[in-house]
Amino acid sequence: DIVMTQTPLSSPVTLGQPASISCRSSQSLVHSDGNTYLSWLHQRPGQPPRLLIYKISNRFSGVPERFSGSGAGTDFTLRISRVEAEDVGIYYCMQATQFPFTFGPGTKVDIK
Amino acid sequence: EVQLVESGGGLVQPGRSLRLSCVASGFIFDDYAMHWVRQAPGKGLEWVSGISWNSRYIGYADSVKGRFTISRDNAKNSLYLQMNSLRPEDTALYYCAKGDYHGSGSHADVWGQGTMVTVSS
Repeated sequence: DIVMTQTPLSSPVTLGQPASISCRSSQSLVHSDGNTYLSWLHQRPGQPPRLLIYKISNRFSGVPERFSGSGAGTDFTLRISRVEAEDVGIYYCMQATQFPFTFGPGTKVDIK
Repeated sequence: EVQLVESGGGLVQPGRSLRLSCVASGFIFDDYAMHWVRQAPGKGLEWVSGISWNSRYIGYADSVKGRFTISRDNAKNSLYLQMNSLRPEDTALYYCAKGDYHGSGSHADVWGQGTMVTVSS
């Protein structure tokens, strides 16, 4: 199975400042069809997760432009250009290249 | 509006069975892969199972393989998860999530509110 790791696991951030989260997979996420199925999700307390980014860098509908994704192979990054109060919560990366799909452990983002 | 509504959760004794359902609306269900994802209390997300749009590709987490079965009924816009031989560690909020168009589930873009399963004697 592909193991997903995230760093940091906790990230106190300052409003208006940038933030980034790293995600690493135990093997390449490049699918045989040429796509890389790495996505990022955000979960606020008491709510279901919400998709932010899919296939490394594609913002899902309605996701603010301050969120961006990058990376390739086994190393990926989610960046928030300027953190807003509504961005607090837990961020997960997820690989869907190979069954069983797997999530990272999550990164908790809160305001300093 | 795209919507997913899960049902079927509850309190069940270890070793017993439960069947979860997810009814979809607001999109052409037949054309999309679907997932089940669970979250134990206070824990992170765990992908449980997924099924491609045409049911050709099905996958399970190692923790549920051989005990859980995913299926879909496109005529009823419904996704199911048959859970047998339940264990206390299966206790979690179970989410249904929509995958990609004509794919095997490249991402999970819409989620239901979840249905809680508690396995305890």
